[in-house]
Amino acid sequence: GAGVSQSPRYKVAKRGQDVALRCDPISGHVSLFWYQQALGQGPEFLTYFQNEAQLDKSGLPSDRFFAERPEGSVSTLKIQRTQQEDSAVYLCASSFRDYPYEQYFGPGTRLTVT
Amino acid sequence: AQKVTQAQTEISVVEKEDVTLDCVYETRDTTYYLFWYKQPPSGELVFLIRRNSFDEQNEISGRYSWNFQKSTSSFNFTITASQVVDSAVYFCALAPNSGYALNFGKGTSLLVTP
Repeated sequence: GAGVSQSPRYKVAKRGQDVALRCDPISGHVSLFWYQQALGQGPEFLTYFQNEAQLDKSGLPSDRFFAERPEGSVSTLKIQRTQQEDSAVYLCASSFRDYPYEQYFGPGTRLTVT
Repeated sequence: AQKVTQAQTEISVVEKEDVTLDCVYETRDTTYYLFWYKQPPSGELVFLIRRNSFDEQNEISGRYSWNFQKSTSSFNFTITASQVVDSAVYFCALAPNSGYALNFGKGTSLLVTP
């Protein structure tokens, strides 16, 4: 079946602009995760949803980062007033149920802030 | 605190050689889960295996095998008779029993040349 999809695949933003990154999880997957992957590093956890509830946002680096999943399926990660340090690949993952099921990742959105 | 160390940053082998990727982890939990993911040049993380801390049996899947040793806090991954298509970055990850966020190592970049 279809995997996790993300859009756009690439985004270039000027410093100070707002961006919105979209994630379509695998149909029927309850849990959804966002990770940030800097160049040459492993992914780092940002936030977690179980259905529409955001249960953990402890990894969001600042209050400029905001995520939502209003109907328990598609999720959007929004970054306000982008800074150069926000440049990274943003990965979305979903899993069938809650922990400890394996997470399936999308292709990511590469964000470049100039 | 949870930590995953992948000491090998880059490995280069010639096709058909065997190669082992090391993963050492730190955790205070008695129950936890370990994962391996593959990230090919396309960027999408591909799930390879999940093990729980109570199952120390080694596992083999085709050319892939995993050696889990709690005594040394290691979860090593071996590719037998490597192929060019195995070229990718491989990540080891740890998840606690009481959480869901994957803690990734920095990854090992494997290059298999003809």
